[in-house]
Amino acid sequence: DAGVIQSPRHEVTEMGQEVTLRCKPISGHNSLFWYRQTMMRGLELLIYFNNNVPIDDSGMPEDRFSAKMPNASFSTLKIQPSEPRDSAVYFCASSSPTPGQGTYGHTGELFFGEGSRLTVL
Amino acid sequence: AQTVTQSQPEMSVQEAETVTLSCTYDTSESDYYLFWYKQPPSRQMILVIRQEAYKQQNATENRFSVNFQKAAKSFSLKISDSQLGDAAMYFCAYSGRGGADGLTFGKGTHLIIQP
Repeated sequence: DAGVIQSPRHEVTEMGQEVTLRCKPISGHNSLFWYRQTMMRGLELLIYFNNNVPIDDSGMPEDRFSAKMPNASFSTLKIQPSEPRDSAVYFCASSSPTPGQGTYGHTGELFFGEGSRLTVL
Repeated sequence: AQTVTQSQPEMSVQEAETVTLSCTYDTSESDYYLFWYKQPPSRQMILVIRQEAYKQQNATENRFSVNFQKAAKSFSLKISDSQLGDAAMYFCAYSGRGGADGLTFGKGTHLIIQP
């Protein structure tokens, strides 16, 4: 089975440009997460979707960041306008529902994509 | 809010020896999950081991085992017979059992394996 697929793997852009990162979760998983990883701050949860609905977006840094999940097999993270401090590795991860407990929530075990390394000059 | 603390930024061990990575966490919940993830230079995050808080027995996966001390809120990872391929960043992570949130990660421990 294919794992979580992210694109692009690398993105270099100039300050002020729009950046769109894409993610395809594992089929059958009901939860999707966007994380940002930097040396200074480590892994930070940006947003969590359950059944395509944003559950917790308290980690989204500011209005320049937005995330969507139009269907169960696709999500985007957009930064507009981008700034040099947005340079980081952005991970998408997905998780499956807990067996016997319906479709709300997840098992807690996250499967990560390979990440998108963003450099904003 | 839950917090996860890894107090060892870097650890070094001789190949074939045993090493223990420390992790403490803070939560007011009684049931939750704890994880150790490995991130090699390829940067792919790989699950190493998982512990459910309601289970008293410590989880084990081949050469990897944990020492889960619920009262002390401690969750250490022991790697036995260390191999060169174990060199990586190791992250401790917490998740509430209800699955209503994402994982909270510690800052990581960089493990170096000396040949």
